[in-house]
Amino acid sequence: GDSVTQMEGPVTLSEEAFLTINCTYTATGYPSLFWYVQYPGEGLQLLLKATKADDKGSNKGFEATYRKETTSFHLEKGSVQVSDSAVYFCALRPERSSGGSNYKLTFGKGTLLTVNP
Amino acid sequence: EAEVAQSPRYKITEKSQAVAFWCDPISGHATLYWYRQILGQGPELLVQFQDESVVDDSQLPKDRFSAERLKGVDSTLKIQPAELGDSAMYLCASSYNRATNEKLFFGSGTQLSVL
Repeated sequence: GDSVTQMEGPVTLSEEAFLTINCTYTATGYPSLFWYVQYPGEGLQLLLKATKADDKGSNKGFEATYRKETTSFHLEKGSVQVSDSAVYFCALRPERSSGGSNYKLTFGKGTLLTVNP
Repeated sequence: EAEVAQSPRYKITEKSQAVAFWCDPISGHATLYWYRQILGQGPELLVQFQDESVVDDSQLPKDRFSAERLKGVDSTLKIQPAELGDSAMYLCASSYNRATNEKLFFGSGTQLSVL
């Protein structure tokens, strides 16, 4: 079945440091890929997405590129801020043609990021 | 921006009691999801509705969990009887439709503690 593997956390960085959170997936065909963020005490919010190979999703300074050859969707940000402290979830949704009547979102376990001033 | 509403925010109950959670999706969203998030894990889909119909409940423990969305708008998730292992965050989400790249909007969740 479909699965998502994220790098283990927690990740602790200083403000303005470079961030990478690794994400790899297992799925047939070309799933859609997502990064969701969960700030303390809040629900999950969509951060960015990519729906086909070589697409780059970006938002709020975060970027991730859909790499079919390595089945990866790593999240990056050049300069993190204290306000970026949150849990980040990588997720996939199967390709429509892969069959079935449901296109449910499968999440990774999440990576806790703490940014210190 | 419109939000998905969930209540209660926190629920503490004793083992073998019944509990219920409520979700009101964003107006006009046909698809509604209930997810369970165990501490340190990613959310796991319990049940998905398209309007008032269940599309997927393959991961719902049907001996104790039930979910309904009678008028295709708000939804209730019930657990009876609750067990210690049910302690988790229960998240509701909605989307306009269930297209493969559709954005899900999540509520803030109900944190359940079973003692």
